[in-house]
Amino acid sequence: SAVISQKPSRDICQRGTSLTIQCQVDSQVTMMFWYRQQPGQSLTLIATANQGSEATYESGFVIDKFPISRPNLTFSTLTVSNMSPEDSSIYLCSVEANEKLFFGSGTQLSVL
Amino acid sequence: GNSVTQMEGPVTLSEEAFLTINCTYTATGYPSLFWYVQYPGEGLQLLLKATKADDKGSNKGFEATYRKETTSFHLEKGSVQVSDSAVYFCALSDSGGGADGLTFGKGTHLIIQP
Repeated sequence: SAVISQKPSRDICQRGTSLTIQCQVDSQVTMMFWYRQQPGQSLTLIATANQGSEATYESGFVIDKFPISRPNLTFSTLTVSNMSPEDSSIYLCSVEANEKLFFGSGTQLSVL
Repeated sequence: GNSVTQMEGPVTLSEEAFLTINCTYTATGYPSLFWYVQYPGEGLQLLLKATKADDKGSNKGFEATYRKETTSFHLEKGSVQVSDSAVYFCALSDSGGGADGLTFGKGTHLIIQP
C-alpha cells in the first residue's frame, strides 16, 4: 500500500491569490495524479505528473492555471493560480502502486 | 464518452438494514468497474472491483456484480453498521484501472444511524 500525506487539508483564500497543495508519499511511485471535485460534481482528473517530465493535462486544464511540480518520486505539488470563486473545490492527489490507486485525504479550498 | 451515474444522497439507514447504492454506466468497449469509499477525514480507497461481465467484487461484506446487459454495478450489503458511514464512489476504467482512464460518479453519502 501507499500512505499519502496531503496538505493543507483546507484553506480559505482571496480572489486573485495562489495556493500550493503538497502531496507526499511514503514510497517511490512513478505516476502521481491530481483530481478536482467541484461541489455536486464527480471527481475529474486534472493532470498526470511523472518525475522528470512535464505534467500531462486533461482537456479543460492548462499549465498556467494549475502548474505542477514533481521534483522526485515521492513528492508533488499542485498550484491553483489566480484563484476565483469557481476554483472552490476539493483537490485530491493520487498515486498508483501495486496496480492499485491510493488517494490523499484531499484539500478543501474555498475562494472568496 | 464514458460516464457514471449513481444515486444521489444522502442515504440514511438504520443499523443492520439492507443497503443498495445504484450505479449505472455508459462506456464503449468493456470497462473495468470499481467502488471506492471515503471515510470521514480519510482519502479515497478501493473497496471492490470487477473486470468483466458477471464478475462479482466483494470486500468487507459489500458486493457488486458487473451486469453488462443492464450496464450496472450496484453496491449491496446485507447488514450495515455505523462504521460504514462514508461517501461511496462508483467508477469505471477503460485502461485497466489506471488513474488516467478513470471516470467517477458524483458520490453517494451514506449515513448509518444506531
